[in-house]
Amino acid sequence: KQEVTQIPAALSVPEGENLVLNCSFTDSAIYNLQWFRQDPGKGLTSLLLIQSSQREQTSGRLNASLDKSSGRSTLYIAASQPGDSATYLCAVISSGSARQLTFGSGTQLTVLP
Amino acid sequence: DVKVTQSSRYLVKRTGEKVFLECVQDMDHENMFWYRQDPGLGLRLIYFSYDVKMKEKGDIPEGYSVSREKKERFSLILESASTNQTSMYLCASSWLDRDNQPQHFGDGTRLSIL
Repeated sequence: KQEVTQIPAALSVPEGENLVLNCSFTDSAIYNLQWFRQDPGKGLTSLLLIQSSQREQTSGRLNASLDKSSGRSTLYIAASQPGDSATYLCAVISSGSARQLTFGSGTQLTVLP
Repeated sequence: DVKVTQSSRYLVKRTGEKVFLECVQDMDHENMFWYRQDPGLGLRLIYFSYDVKMKEKGDIPEGYSVSREKKERFSLILESASTNQTSMYLCASSWLDRDNQPQHFGDGTRLSIL
């Protein structure tokens, strides 16, 4: 059964720092990996999706990488801002599944002004 | 823009009541999902559906049922609500097999069972 782990569980950084969030998964047979953002009391917003054949995706200050063979992904946030404060969730769709996501427990990020 | 709409943001019900949570999507997605999110347990899949009148159990289906009579609407039903079903419920939708497209989520329903 696929398991997804995110480290660290919480992270606090000063504004302007570059930071990396980590995600690992146990079964490398995946269709894709997705990174989401969740603000308190709200739903999930899709940030980046990396298909199994891809190595990375970029959107603005965000860059996500995927190393399927080692079961790892990283989300890089450049020049962090207080508005980036949120919980970041990593999730995978396993091959052979009906496209349901398996989620990590998230990293709660606080960017201090 | 894809829109997934959940009927209520907050809901308070009593133990034993039958509770309906509604979700509507406007992108003609085949797949629809219901998750619950609890502190320390993360998001867990309750049920999903890949077509009208089709349903599949997720990881934690006990105490729940679902209905999908129309493609755009997926309902979660708590047959007899219990206090351990107090949680945040999230609905999502996606294409059946477009792996370059993400799942889209609603804003969630925070359900309290008293």
